[in-house]
Amino acid sequence: EDQVTQSPEALRLQEGESSSLNCSYTVSGLRGLFWYRQDPGKGPEFLFTLYSAGEEKEKERLKATLTKKESFLHITAPKPEDSATYLCAVHPYAGGTSYGKLTFGQGTILTVHP
Amino acid sequence: DGGITQSPKYLFRKEGQNVTLSCEQNLNHDAMYWYRQDPGQGLRLIYYSQIVNDFQKGDIAEGYSVSREKKESFPLTVTSAQKNPTAFYLCASMGDRTEAFFGQGTRLTVV
Repeated sequence: EDQVTQSPEALRLQEGESSSLNCSYTVSGLRGLFWYRQDPGKGPEFLFTLYSAGEEKEKERLKATLTKKESFLHITAPKPEDSATYLCAVHPYAGGTSYGKLTFGQGTILTVHP
Repeated sequence: DGGITQSPKYLFRKEGQNVTLSCEQNLNHDAMYWYRQDPGQGLRLIYYSQIVNDFQKGDIAEGYSVSREKKESFPLTVTSAQKNPTAFYLCASMGDRTEAFFGQGTRLTVV
């Protein structure tokens, strides 16, 4: 069964203090790994898709990387508006044209203090 | 504008009542998903559907039911058998080679 574990559960940073969030996963065959940002009371907002080990994607202060066992979301010089819950999810190969389950981790609650 | 719409935003259920949450998408996506989120928790999969008239149980399907009569629609019924239904419910859709798009959620409260 697919498993996704995110760490830490919560992270408090000072504005400008760079750090990384971890997403460890176990999946029989990875079609894609997604990163989302979620604000309180809202639906998750898509950030990145990573497909293969070694792939990296960047958007403003965020950079996502992928290995065969884990993904990292690096946050460089964060600002208070980066405060949110960050979720990762794995999308496995399900055979043929099947979409299969989309399994999420528990999320990391990021708080950036001014 | 293409997107995914959930309604209502807030829903109150009395003990013993069934309630239905609506999810509609106009993205022409084949797959649709229902998740439950409890405070401080991640998303747990309730049901998902990959094609019209077909759906599969997720990890926490007990006390819930779904239908997929149209490609655009995937309503979720929370039955009286669900003993702890108070939660935030999220619907998502996914197409071929796309990420999952989410609605804005329905907050269900038992009164």
